[in-house]
Amino acid sequence: GAVVSQHPSRVICKSGTSVKIECRSLDFQATTMFWYRQFPKQSLMLMATSNEGSKATYEQGVEKDKFLINHASLTLSTLTVTSAHPEDSSFYICSAPDTGGDGYEQYFGPGTRLTVT
Amino acid sequence: AQSVTQLGSHVSVSEGALVLLRCNYSSSVPPYLFWYVQYPNQGLQLLLKYTSAATLVKGINGFEAEFKKSETSFHLTKPSAHMSDAAEYFCAVRHPTGGGNKLTFGTGTQLKVEL
Repeated sequence: GAVVSQHPSRVICKSGTSVKIECRSLDFQATTMFWYRQFPKQSLMLMATSNEGSKATYEQGVEKDKFLINHASLTLSTLTVTSAHPEDSSFYICSAPDTGGDGYEQYFGPGTRLTVT
Repeated sequence: AQSVTQLGSHVSVSEGALVLLRCNYSSSVPPYLFWYVQYPNQGLQLLLKYTSAATLVKGINGFEAEFKKSETSFHLTKPSAHMSDAAEYFCAVRHPTGGGNKLTFGTGTQLKVEL
């Protein structure tokens, strides 16, 4: 099946700094990618839809200026958490829809654990 | 808008026993439904999906689920639990035509398998 990777897998940063998380589709092209965040022992909450070559679409309540998304190529989307604070600490997961199969499946990255101190 | 409800945030079974994880959905039209498994500090892996074909869907690792429109349910089952099944399970729903592939997840069920 298709593979989605994320980098880094874990990151610790100081409050006030910015952190960039990469999401790559390794063996397929993804015009759309999704970014989720997951708090401990909770479900995944969709943050935004990343669209290649255009602006991301953010879910209600998600600050677009804080969570910058760039989808510059068909295989790479990045999420930058700007001026991070401890409450931004979370598990961030990206996914990309299957474009080569039946079209129903989404492939998820392994996630990035962000800890803001 | 679609939503899913997973009854039971924690389920504990003995090894070899039946696994039953419950999922009920709410949707104005018959949706597409998915079950995903998540191991600690990892992403999600698709177990199975219902996309309006056969109502009984078989997935990986011996899991299956049945779409029951009359009950608005899509419960996940496995006849015999294995220790390696211990993980978090998420039911998810998607609109069949609109919504742009967006998935809405349930709150998850932590499955514990005991000896």
